[in-house]
Amino acid sequence: GAGVSQSPSNKVTEKGKDVELRCDPISGHTALYWYRQSLGQGLEFLIYFQGNSAPDKSGLPSDRFSAERTGGSVSTLTIQRTQQEDSAVYLCASSSYNSPLHFGNGTRLTVT
Amino acid sequence: QKEVEQNSGPLSVPEGAIASLNCTYSDRVSQSFFWYRQYSGKSPELIMSIYSNGDKEDGRFTAQLNKASQYVSLLIRDSQPSDSATYLCAVKGGSEKLVFGKGTKLTVNP
Repeated sequence: GAGVSQSPSNKVTEKGKDVELRCDPISGHTALYWYRQSLGQGLEFLIYFQGNSAPDKSGLPSDRFSAERTGGSVSTLTIQRTQQEDSAVYLCASSSYNSPLHFGNGTRLTVT
Repeated sequence: QKEVEQNSGPLSVPEGAIASLNCTYSDRVSQSFFWYRQYSGKSPELIMSIYSNGDKEDGRFTAQLNKASQYVSLLIRDSQPSDSATYLCAVKGGSEKLVFGKGTKLTVNP
């Protein structure tokens, strides 16, 4: 596609429910990144993929968070048993080797 | 020590002035450096990338890199109100992981 596509754009969920966030990167981009941005804060690194493998998942906040990427393309970020502190904008970005990241529009997650 | 540090600001400059944004990083093997602009409620967008020591100019923007001092800066000449945003410094080290600073909020006053 023309850019990084994320869905849904907004998600409101009840505390304790599971949520899945989807990212469709730019075609041909081998690297895919997930970041989290809380209101008024910077970008917090969560995980990145090179192809289907995740060389660095050091930023995942807890074992409630997991991510996968299939076919070297689409990625899903899953948050189990959501908590209110999980409320944030989740940003996905993709890049090809040694090129800058291009971001999607993000998914705004609200846990009530 | 934080990996990428920026003055959070806010930085306020008058229209037409030069805005200077600074960033330091801790990983000496870092090779790639980026400046992103983020308008309120929007995603970050790339402004400049720089990979070698010295200056790189693109229109009103100049990125400066000094690897010995582990310092990268962004100058915005002839600042416009439309430049008002948060500017994020990002550094890629030995791996492909891109680490962002917390950003500097810039306000350009008409």
